[in-house]
Amino acid sequence: GAGVSQSPRYKVAKRGQDVALRCDPISGHVSLFWYQQALGQGPEFLTYFQNEAQLDKSGLPSDRFFAERPEGSVSTLKIQRTQQEDSAVYLCASSFSGTTLEQYFGPGTRLTVT
Amino acid sequence: DQQVKQNSPSLSVQEGRISILNCDYTNSMFDYFLWYKKYPAEGPTFLISISSIKDKNEDGRFTVFLNKSAKHLSLHIVPSQPGDSAVYFCAASAWNNAGNMLTFGGGTRLMVKP
Repeated sequence: GAGVSQSPRYKVAKRGQDVALRCDPISGHVSLFWYQQALGQGPEFLTYFQNEAQLDKSGLPSDRFFAERPEGSVSTLKIQRTQQEDSAVYLCASSFSGTTLEQYFGPGTRLTVT
Repeated sequence: DQQVKQNSPSLSVQEGRISILNCDYTNSMFDYFLWYKKYPAEGPTFLISISSIKDKNEDGRFTVFLNKSAKHLSLHIVPSQPGDSAVYFCAASAWNNAGNMLTFGGGTRLMVKP
C-alpha cells in the first residue's frame, strides 16, 4: 500500500523567501507529526496533529514556522522568511491512532537556504 | 539537554557476527522505546519496539533489551548482513493525552562488511 509521501523532495530557497512543504499521510491515519532533522543529528519534534486539530506545537522553533491540516489528511508546513539555520530535512510521520506508538515516516524534504 | 543519547556515532562489524547498538536515556517518564533504521535519502523505517513493562523483545534477527534501572537499551542484530548497513536511531516516547511524540537519539551508523 502507499506510504507517507512528501513534496517537494528537495527545495532550495533564498534567505527571506517563504516555503511550503507538503505531507500526504497514510490513508486513514489519524495522527500526523512533523520533525526537523539537522545534518548528522536525529529528528527533532516540531508539531503534532490529531485529525485536523493541532494538539502540540511546542517544537516549532519560531513564529516563522506554521503548520496546518485543515481536513484531517494532507498537512502543510510553512516557513516564512527562511533563514540559513532552517536548512534541514523535514520529515513527516503518521500513525493509525492517537494511541498507536509506531510512526511511519515519509522520505523527507531537504530544504537548503542560501 | 539530550534526553536520548547514542554515544557511538559509528560501528563496523563483519558479516555473520553480532551487531550491538546502544542507547541511553535520562527521562524516567519514557515508557516506550523504538528503533528505526534509515537508508540515505529515505525516511526512518520502524524496526522494533519495547514497552517499559518488558525487558526483552525479539523479532527474527533483531532483539531489543531494556534495562530500566540503568536507563539503557540495546539493539542486537544476529547474524549481521551487509543489507543491515544503515543509520540506526533509538527513539523514546512518554504517553500523554496530547499524543506520543518521539524523542530521538543522534543515530549510529552501522557498517557490515562482507
